[in-house]
Amino acid sequence: EAQVTQNPRYLITVTGKKLTVTCSQNMNHEYMSWYRQDPGLGLRQIYYSMNVEVTDKGDVPEGYKVSRKEKRNFPLILESPSPNQTSLYFCASGWTGGPDTQYFGPGTRLTVL
Amino acid sequence: RKEVEQDPGPFNVPEGATVAFNCTYSNSASQSFFWYRQDCRKEPKLLMSVYSSGNEDGRFTAQLNRASQYISLLIRDSKLSDSATYLCVVKPLIYNFNKFYFGSGTKLNVKP
Repeated sequence: EAQVTQNPRYLITVTGKKLTVTCSQNMNHEYMSWYRQDPGLGLRQIYYSMNVEVTDKGDVPEGYKVSRKEKRNFPLILESPSPNQTSLYFCASGWTGGPDTQYFGPGTRLTVL
Repeated sequence: RKEVEQDPGPFNVPEGATVAFNCTYSNSASQSFFWYRQDCRKEPKLLMSVYSSGNEDGRFTAQLNRASQYISLLIRDSKLSDSATYLCVVKPLIYNFNKFYFGSGTKLNVKP
């Protein structure tokens, strides 16, 4: 089954404790992206990647890191999480040469205390 | 000013009603437009792309008005299962597969 998976789905952590949210897709997509969704603000892009080893900042990259060492994986790293990073996070993937459809993972609900 | 703006609703309609949402965008150079559906904080899923000529998929019709910089979504014969939040999405440049701007969504409640 074609899908985007994220782990963990739910996470409660404390300020300053480094964490990683994994994202994996099995559709051989070149493009992958991370979004956060907050009430009243819609989805905002954090980072995106056009292919392996090619990443760039979105609109709200502060406090986040990403890496793209393999085509299928695009982990989101919070080196020192803060309460303002409490949010619902979605990973998405798609083709670069075809339709602009994005396929989203199920989301990760993160709470930073 | 936000790139994409939507009326948050909620729109409360009875089954069988016709309902329409609009979404305005600020960048006149925007090239690609989409409607996504999101159920109760689950992942967004593509409902339909919006073409210059407009497009229809069953009970759903999407239109683009470039002069006024808005897109619309019309749902006919609403079903209970149409209850969801509808996200308007705009992509500024057709060859730049990196920037997508999402509206904050319009909530639709279809009631029996």
